[in-house]
Formats: sequence, structure tokens, C-alpha cells
Amino acid sequence: EIVLTQSPATLSLSPGERATLSCRASQSLSSYLAWYQQKPGQAPRLLIYDASNRATGIPARFSGSGSGTDFTLTISSLEPEDFAVYYCQQRSHWPWGITFGQGTRLEIK
Amino acid sequence: QLQLQESGPGLVKPSETLSLTCTVSGGSINSNSYYWGWIRQPPGKGLEWIGTIYYSGSTYYNPSLKSRVTMSVDTSKNQFSLRLTSVTAADTAVYFCAALKTSGYCSGGSCSTRFDPWGQGTLVTVSS
Repeated sequence: EIVLTQSPATLSLSPGERATLSCRASQSLSSYLAWYQQKPGQAPRLLIYDASNRATGIPARFSGSGSGTDFTLTISSLEPEDFAVYYCQQRSHWPWGITFGQGTRLEIK
Repeated sequence: QLQLQESGPGLVKPSETLSLTCTVSGGSINSNSYYWGWIRQPPGKGLEWIGTIYYSGSTYYNPSLKSRVTMSVDTSKNQFSLRLTSVTAADTAVYFCAALKTSGYCSGGSCSTRFDPWGQGTLVTVSS
């Protein structure tokens, strides 16, 4: 099973600052990693797929980068609505399986 | 656009079977562009993939739950379902259904895949 490790567990920043979230995989994922945002009481929302492609309707301040085992989600200038929990996710080919990272909580400083 | 909605009992007794259904609207469950998945989230914790099904009936389960999980699809109703047997308090969670988009591209041991969209989720509590 491929393990995804997200860091930091909690990130405290102020609106307007830049956020950098990390996801590290136990094996190479090529560029096949997705990122989600989840707010309290809501379902997760897809932000980024295939490491760097923004999903439909996602603001340009969200960007993804990385390949292999190291991936980064960057929020260029935090808006109040960006404070949430963020998860990364991958799918392995064989055996067929999906794993999520444990999440990074982005909180207002 | 594609929408998903979970339904089922909110309370299940220990040792019994949890059964949930996800209704797909705005698109066909027969689409060859999507798989269909279940994900759960215990209170205050992270996301756990339960399993995925294709409209043809092919299934893929989380190894940690495989012995207790069965997924099925009803193309006539545009629905797919989850059964989880012998539940305990550890199965208390919000259960989400989601569409799993896959481009078909794989490299090495990994494939292009993302969950989008998601249902709103339904809380299932296991308690006597």
C-alpha cells in the first residue's frame, strides 16, 4: 500500500500570506496526485488533479506542483474562506487501491 | 451536472449490517468515464477509502475492510450501494459517495484518478 504523509499537520497563517502544504508518497506516483479542500460539515472539494491541473472553478491562487514522491499545494495569497483541512490522494495500479494523506489543517493565526 | 446523494439509516446496531445507497443524477451510471466510490470519515478524523465499483460490476475494496464490504450497482435506478457487515462502534462515520474520474493513464504503479463530485455525506452511528 502506498502511504501518503502530509506536513505540517497544522499550519497557522494570516490572510494574505502564502501557504505551502506538502504531501510525500512512499513510492513514486509519477504525476498522479490529487488535492482536496474540506470545510467543517461539508464534503471534500477537488482542487487539483494530476499534480498541477486545477479543477473546474478553482481560483488561480491555488496551484499544485511536484512529481515522483514529493508534491506541494500552494495558496499564493490566503483568503478567509481558504482556512480548512486539505487532503492529498493517490490511486495505485496494482494492487488497485486508493489512499488519502492524513490531512493538513490550515488555521487562522 | 453530475450530482450524488447518499441515503440510508442513520443508526445501526452493533454486529448488524450497514446499508447505504447513492443515487446519481445529471448523468448515467453506465458512463465509461467514471467509477463510483465510497469514502468514510470518522468524527474528527481523516478520509478513508472504502471501495470502488464500475458500472459493469467490477469492484475494488480497501484491504482492511474487504472481508466485510460488498458494493453493487443498479443501472436501472442509476444507483450504487454499499453493505458493511458486522459493524462496531469503530464504523461510526460520515459516509460519502463520489464519482471517480479516471483518464486511463498510468505510469509505473500509479494512475490518474480523482473524486469529483462528492455527495453531501450521511452520518451513520453504530450504537445499541
